[in-house]
Amino acid sequence: EAAVTQSPRNKVTVTGGNVTLSCRQTNSHNYMYWYRQDTGHGLRLIHYSYGAGNLQIGDVPDGYKATRTTQEDFFLLLELASPSQTSLYFCASSDEAGGARDTQYFGPGTRLLVL
Amino acid sequence: QQKVQQSPESLSVPEGGMASLNCTSSDRNFQYFWWYRQHSGEGPKALMSIFSDGDKKEGRFTAHLNKASLHVSLHIRDSQPSDSALYFCAAKPNYNVLYFGSGTKLTVEP
Repeated sequence: EAAVTQSPRNKVTVTGGNVTLSCRQTNSHNYMYWYRQDTGHGLRLIHYSYGAGNLQIGDVPDGYKATRTTQEDFFLLLELASPSQTSLYFCASSDEAGGARDTQYFGPGTRLLVL
Repeated sequence: QQKVQQSPESLSVPEGGMASLNCTSSDRNFQYFWWYRQHSGEGPKALMSIFSDGDKKEGRFTAHLNKASLHVSLHIRDSQPSDSALYFCAAKPNYNVLYFGSGTKLTVEP
């Protein structure tokens, strides 16, 4: 099964602080995704990328930046964190060589608390 | 409004019983459907995918898709305590963005 790792696993910051969440996949997948999970909303897509240097906007991008530095690494940046960004964040990857039929594989998540 | 709606929000079944989870989408562009399972403290893991009308069975799990009514269901027979988890329905149009429902919390009581 595809391996996706995330760091840190837990993060506490203050309002206005800078936060970087990291994600690495070691399966040579083309696509990588950032989601946030909130009770009552399921998982919502923030940003995604189909290769190094590429960035696509998801459904809830406000307040977030992302950067894909290599095929393996995808970062989510919160430059002025707000309490509304307190959430559980997941990274995922998929090959997409088979088109939209390919499954997404998720990392273990990062729990972020903005005070 | 969310594009994928799930019901019920929570479900409790006895060990050995049948659990039935439902999902309806509001977008006729959705072509591909997944069920994901998330145990506490972990990331979601794909349980099964279904792309064609009808039933798909994998062990104790059966998914059913009706594209005309945009309805997907998941049935778990002989439920086990290890099946206790949050279950998500997810759907894709013919491009690479996955839309999730808000989840059904399943509890299997020993």
